[in-house]
Amino acid sequence: GPKVLQIPSHQIIDMGQMVTLNCDPVSNHLYFYWYKQILGQQMEFLVNFYNGKVMEKSKLFKDQFSVERPDGSYFTLKIQPTALEDSAVYFCASSSLQAGDTQYFGPGTRLLVL
Amino acid sequence: QQKVQQSPESLTVSEGAMASLNCTFSDGTSNNFRWYRQHSAKGLEVLVSIFSDGEKEEGRFTAHLNRANLHVSLHIREPQPSDSAVYLCAVSGGGSNYKLTFGKGTLLTVTP
Repeated sequence: GPKVLQIPSHQIIDMGQMVTLNCDPVSNHLYFYWYKQILGQQMEFLVNFYNGKVMEKSKLFKDQFSVERPDGSYFTLKIQPTALEDSAVYFCASSSLQAGDTQYFGPGTRLLVL
Repeated sequence: QQKVQQSPESLTVSEGAMASLNCTFSDGTSNNFRWYRQHSAKGLEVLVSIFSDGEKEEGRFTAHLNRANLHVSLHIREPQPSDSAVYLCAVSGGGSNYKLTFGKGTLLTVTP
């Protein structure tokens, strides 16, 4: 099926530093998503993005989080500053024309904040 | 707030036997249901999507939806050891078509 890529696969940083997670979505997709999964817990929605704007975000999407897709390149999630509780696997997804279309997921970025 | 629960937490079946997984959801206005599976350290692979009551088959995977009972199930016909993975139920619709709400997953192990 369609492939979503995520870079890096793993990231270890010190608390308070900034981190940027990169997502290369399916080429003709227009909707982009981030989800967060803490070890042993279910995957939870963070945010979705369409036409340069955040469409919907959850309470997990703290003020320290931001998303963008400059010039149609990577879709990024930036956390600044990071906190210990941000340690999780972050999954990117994309879908095509309609909001309810199938979301295709990347393999995740494992973030560890020390 | 939508709650999605999956059962069982883990399931072991023999190769070739039917595997059945269950998912209940709390928001009766949900209209979009998907089953994904996740092999370790890989992304999610969508298996079957279902939007109305009844049955939807995609190859060896069949989803059954009963919205009145707030229940959707996945049946895997003739499972193979390569089907061993975590199976995730994802629900959307109602108040938001963008957000998927996931269950915690069922760990399926298929033994030869």
